[in-house]
Amino acid sequence: EAGVTQSPTHLIKTRGQQATLRCSPISGHTSVYWYQQALGLGLQFLLWYDEGEERNRGNFPPRFSGRQFPNYSSELNVNALELEDSALYLCASSPGTDYGYTFGSGTRLTVV
Amino acid sequence: QKEVEQDPGPLSVPEGAIVSLNCTYSNSAFQYFMWYRQYSRKGPELLMYTYSSGNKEDGRFTAQVDKSSKYISLFIRDSQPSDSATYLCAMGLTGGGNKLTFGTGTQLKVEL
Repeated sequence: EAGVTQSPTHLIKTRGQQATLRCSPISGHTSVYWYQQALGLGLQFLLWYDEGEERNRGNFPPRFSGRQFPNYSSELNVNALELEDSALYLCASSPGTDYGYTFGSGTRLTVV
Repeated sequence: QKEVEQDPGPLSVPEGAIVSLNCTYSNSAFQYFMWYRQYSRKGPELLMYTYSSGNKEDGRFTAQVDKSSKYISLFIRDSQPSDSATYLCAMGLTGGGNKLTFGTGTQLKVEL
């Protein structure tokens, strides 16, 4: 069974640009989560999507947004990139509202 | 004060040792408790998932939750060099919007 897949693996952007990160959940999982893992800060909750709807949002500015497609894949968009957005962005999925997430390997975003 | 506190380490032990990893938390409403293992440049991998207080064992791993003390532990028996990784505790609430609150992780090194 394929795990959670994320693309791209690495992304380098210039301050002020937009970044789009993609995630494919495990087959049968309807919930997708996004977390930011910045150096020294641990994993911070960004967004939760379930059945195509945004169900919960963490304490991040509106320039962090995303969506979930009918096939349950998801994308995270970060607009007006700032240097402090440099981090590992992790996507996870779970069946329904189960807390037992499975994480992908992440997208390393570097803003220069 | 952070909701979840975890000693960052690094913790270095000889092969075969029993390892004890711990987290404390401040929110008494947490009911779901997880331990994740994260290897360098990889996403977190779910190791243990417990609900409420008590112990849970899976092979060489034992998770312990003491809600009265707001303290959780992960014990690793017969530690192996392959156990060298960062261990993250995570917690969730009933009705918490499926958000997990993570500790910052403890770096473990098991030496030959």
